[in-house]
Amino acid sequence: GAGVSQSPSNKVTEKGKDVELRCDPISGHTALYWYRQRLGQGLEFLIYFQGNSAPDKSGLPSDRFSAERTGESVSTLTIQRTQQEDSAVYLCASSYPHETQYFGPGTRLLVL
Amino acid sequence: KNEVEQSPQNLTAQEGEFITINCSYSVGISALHWLQQHPGGGIVSLFMLSSGKKKHGRLIATINIQEKHSSLHITASHPRDSAVYICAVSRSGNTPLVFGKGTRLSVIA
Repeated sequence: GAGVSQSPSNKVTEKGKDVELRCDPISGHTALYWYRQRLGQGLEFLIYFQGNSAPDKSGLPSDRFSAERTGESVSTLTIQRTQQEDSAVYLCASSYPHETQYFGPGTRLLVL
Repeated sequence: KNEVEQSPQNLTAQEGEFITINCSYSVGISALHWLQQHPGGGIVSLFMLSSGKKKHGRLIATINIQEKHSSLHITASHPRDSAVYICAVSRSGNTPLVFGKGTRLSVIA
C-alpha cells in the first residue's frame, strides 16, 4: 500500500487567512500525529489521535490551531487567522500501536 | 535543558570514515527512534529500539537504558549518507515523539 500522503505539498497564504492541511495515513494505522518544523529548527509535536480516544492537543501553540480526524482515516489540520510565525513544514505521521511512525512528505506553508 | 540532546550538531566526514552520532535523554522512555531527513526531503525512520542493538546494512544503533544514552553508527560512510539524523523518544506506548535538534552530517567524496 501507499505511504502517508499530505496535501497540498506547498501552500502560500496571506496573513489573516485560514488554511486547511490534509493528511491521509496508512490504512489500518490507528495512531496519527501532526508535527511542525520551522525553518532551521527541530521538530515539535502538535496533536495526536489514537483510535476513538480524545486527541492529545497539548502541543497546539494557540487556539488558532485545531485538527480533526474521521474515524481512523483522514485528518485535517486547520490554522485560523494565519500569522507569519506559522510558516513551517507541517508533517503528519501514522503508526500501528507501539510501532514505528511513518512520516508523510509534509506541507510547506508560507504566510506572507 | 532539552529532554533529548544530540551531539555533535554538525559533522563533516571523508568518504569511508566510521561515524558516530550520540543521543542522551533525561526522561523515562518506552522506545528511542533514529530518523533520517534528507535536504528538501521527507523523514524516514531508521530504527526503533528499546534495548540492546540493531543493525541495518551499514547502520548500527545501540541503546544503554541505564545510562539513558544511544548511539547511531555509520560504517564505510558515503556521500549519499549526507542528511540530518534525528534522535527522538517516545515516553510510553503510542505517544508522540520528543525530538532532539538533529545532527547535520556531510560526507565528502
